[in-house]
Amino acid sequence: DIQMTQSPPSLSASLGDKVTITCQASQNIDKYLAWYQQKPGKAPRLLIRFTSTLESGTPSRFTGSGSGRDYSFSVSNVESEDIATYYCLQYVNLPSTFGAGTKLELK
Amino acid sequence: QVNLLQSGAALVKPGASVKMSCKPSGYTFTDYIVHWVRQSHGKSLEWIGYINPYSGSTNYNEKFKTKATLSVDKSTKTAYMELSGLTSEDSAAYYCTRTGMNWYFDFWGPGTMVTVSS
Repeated sequence: DIQMTQSPPSLSASLGDKVTITCQASQNIDKYLAWYQQKPGKAPRLLIRFTSTLESGTPSRFTGSGSGRDYSFSVSNVESEDIATYYCLQYVNLPSTFGAGTKLELK
Repeated sequence: QVNLLQSGAALVKPGASVKMSCKPSGYTFTDYIVHWVRQSHGKSLEWIGYINPYSGSTNYNEKFKTKATLSVDKSTKTAYMELSGLTSEDSAAYYCTRTGMNWYFDFWGPGTMVTVSS
């Protein structure tokens, strides 16, 4: 199974800040990486697929990049509605595997 | 619009089984694979397995092979997951989700909360 190491586990940001989350795969995943946002009591919501392609409805302040084993996800100009937990997902191989999550909180 | 409707929360006793449902709408049921994902309280997400509603073929995460059984009823366009031999460690939210030609999960159901307690 491919292991996804996501960091940091938590982030504290002020409104308007830029924050970055990273995911490292245990092997090359050829950009088959997605990012999800999850708010308490809700299902995950797909934000980005194939490393950097924004899903319809995802604000442009969310960006993704990376290749090989190393990927990053950024939120520019953090807004209050961005407070959530974020997960990466590799889908190059089954079993699909998620990162441990990053909880974004307001400072 | 795509929607995946899941069955309600369940309280079950240790050792028992539970069967939950997922009824998609807004797209052709047999065109997308249905997956199930577990999230224990405060934890990350784990892929359980998938079923192809067209063929009925399944694929399970090795970790859940003896725990979960996936099925579909094409006549009612509903997918099911049965969990057996439940323990407190199976208390979690269980989500159904789907994939198309690419294997990322695009739409999700709201989840079914399962609590295992005597």
